[in-house]
Amino acid sequence: KQEVTQIPAALSVPEGENLVLNCSFTDSAIYNLQWFRQDPGKGLTSLLLIQSSQREQTSGRLNASLDKSSGRSTLYIAASQPGDSATYLCAAQTGANNLFFGTGTRLTVIP
Amino acid sequence: DAGVIQSPRHEVTEMGQEVTLRCKPISGHNSLFWYRQTMMRGLELLIYFNNNVPIDDSGMPEDRFSAKMPNASFSTLKIQPSEPRDSAVYFCASSFGSGDSPLHFGNGTRLTVT
Repeated sequence: KQEVTQIPAALSVPEGENLVLNCSFTDSAIYNLQWFRQDPGKGLTSLLLIQSSQREQTSGRLNASLDKSSGRSTLYIAASQPGDSATYLCAAQTGANNLFFGTGTRLTVIP
Repeated sequence: DAGVIQSPRHEVTEMGQEVTLRCKPISGHNSLFWYRQTMMRGLELLIYFNNNVPIDDSGMPEDRFSAKMPNASFSTLKIQPSEPRDSAVYFCASSFGSGDSPLHFGNGTRLTVT
């Protein structure tokens, strides 16, 4: 069974700093890797989806990379803002519609 | 686009009672998922439907849980009888296609069983 791990569980940074969130998965035979954001009391919002054949995806200040062979993905956030404070989850898809989630990294950006 | 709509937002019930959670997926999406989120276990897939047909229900904890999707715009997750360990946030999500498009989540139903 696919195991997805996210380290650290929590992270605090001052506003303006660049940061990297880490995600690792045990089964490299993935279909895609997705990053989500979850605000308190809300559902998950999809941020980026990287297909297994891709190495990275970018959206605004966010850049996600994928290294299937090492079972790792990173989410890079540039010039962090207080509004980026949320829990970030990664999820590895290993079959049609079979998505395994990590437990998330809770990010706090301090003004 | 109103997004995935779940109701109720909060449900408090006593042990032994029946609970029904409702979901309206995004129009045009052909896959629907029910997830449960707890602090201890994170997000767990309970069941997913494709074109209204249940494809994988291996995540459903036990026979007390059942899910239906009578049409493309409505699904229910029922727990009967409910137990305190069922307390969690239950999310519904939908997507289009066979797995290469992102999931869209509802805001969840926070269930408390006393």
